Amino acid sequence: QVQLVESGGGLVKPGGSLRLSCAASGFTFSDYYMSWIRQAPGKGLEWVSYISSSGSTIYYADSVKGRFTISRDNAKNSLYLQMNSLRAEDTAVYYCARVDTAMVIDYWGQGTLVTVSS
Amino acid sequence: QPVLTQPPSSSASPGESARLTCTLPSDINVGSYNIYWYQQKPGSPPRYLLYYYSDSDKGQGSGVPSRFSGSKDASANTGILLISGLQSEDEADYYCMIWPSNARRGVFGGGTKLTVL
Repeated sequence: QVQLVESGGGLVKPGGSLRLSCAASGFTFSDYYMSWIRQAPGKGLEWVSYISSSGSTIYYADSVKGRFTISRDNAKNSLYLQMNSLRAEDTAVYYCARVDTAMVIDYWGQGTLVTVSS
Repeated sequence: QPVLTQPPSSSASPGESARLTCTLPSDINVGSYNIYWYQQKPGSPPRYLLYYYSDSDKGQGSGVPSRFSGSKDASANTGILLISGLQSEDEADYYCMIWPSNARRGVFGGGTKLTVL
């Protein structure tokens, strides 16, 4: 079955960096677009970034553009999110998600918590 | 990025129907977009429910009961999630989403907390 397992979250100081990983299994990873979506504590969902199946097309939310970098390694069935210049408002659970050809976010990981605090 | 407006809360009794709305900004025509709906229960990731474009172009998530359905109200520029025959297990947060234009920059609504009384 499809599994998405995030890792790499934790506590980081403002201005710091963190790299999130998402290990995918149960499907042909290289066939699918992928996204990162986050949810601040007690708040709603916020789409963060999208990467095409080949990695050639990438989009970011304005709130993270220039600070976050999405990437993927299809040989390792892995998705990444490099987060730099972190701010308190980046504190959230970060979900890795699969996006199908109808742009349905059909599978979500369990999420990894990123806390930005001094 | 556009803002999708959802009422913060809604409530209904078991067996009744709940109509959850997602209003698009006036510069985005609801008739031109797929509206995606997600359900989230406390402590769990969101779950895909369905998408709706038109009666001839819609999709249901795997295992999602048919009592969950989508529609649009063009006059209100609004996407609608209708849940009929409410059950206690339907109590959750519900989010709408679109992918505006040709860009793959997704936008979620603020979510509606549905209480089944």
